[in-house]
Amino acid sequence: DGGITQSPKYLFRKEGQNVTLSCEQNLNHDAMYWYRQDPGQGLRLIYYSQIVNDFQKGDIAEGYSVSREKKESFPLTVTSAQKNPTAFYLCASSRAGPRGTEAFFGQGTRLTVV
Amino acid sequence: AQKVTQAQTEISVVEKEDVTLDCVYETRDTTYYLFWYKQPPSGELVFLIRRNSFDEQNEISGRYSWNFQKSTSSFNFTITASQVVDSAVYFCALFDYKLSFGAGTTVTVRA
Repeated sequence: DGGITQSPKYLFRKEGQNVTLSCEQNLNHDAMYWYRQDPGQGLRLIYYSQIVNDFQKGDIAEGYSVSREKKESFPLTVTSAQKNPTAFYLCASSRAGPRGTEAFFGQGTRLTVV
Repeated sequence: AQKVTQAQTEISVVEKEDVTLDCVYETRDTTYYLFWYKQPPSGELVFLIRRNSFDEQNEISGRYSWNFQKSTSSFNFTITASQVVDSAVYFCALFDYKLSFGAGTTVTVRA
């Protein structure tokens, strides 16, 4: 079945460690996105990519890094520079170009710093 | 600056009541799209409806309807005859050059 797969579902990180969240899609979408959601809050855009080997910072990119080496994959690294990384992370994809295509979301990764 | 504003943080209704969620957006683009998404307790966002900036015709799809008014930059969403399964967080989103979300409205439907 086509869709977006995020892994792992739950992730625990020690302070000072980098961790990488995986996002894979088989929808043949050009655009991919990473959002952060804190309890009781909306989704804030971290990074987005409209095409392979290109990506742009969103509203809260500090302390995060991404790569887009393949169309299907858009991993997010939460670095030790991110001061408060505990949150729910959602990955999404959509067709690029026309702005009217809806984004499809993965099931999310819940990251906790211990 | 907040691009998408959802005025209601929480709404609680009794089953079969109608629920209207307000959304106001801000963009300088003339071409943009607006969406409503639902986030059930499982966490995954589910796409509900889409409207482009050129089409102000309001529609009904099953128990969902929406009211898009470009003059007031509003895109309100209504659930008719609510059911317990409608309990979720609902997000309004704007797609101009990126997809931006409002803070969400938590809807609780009581039996």
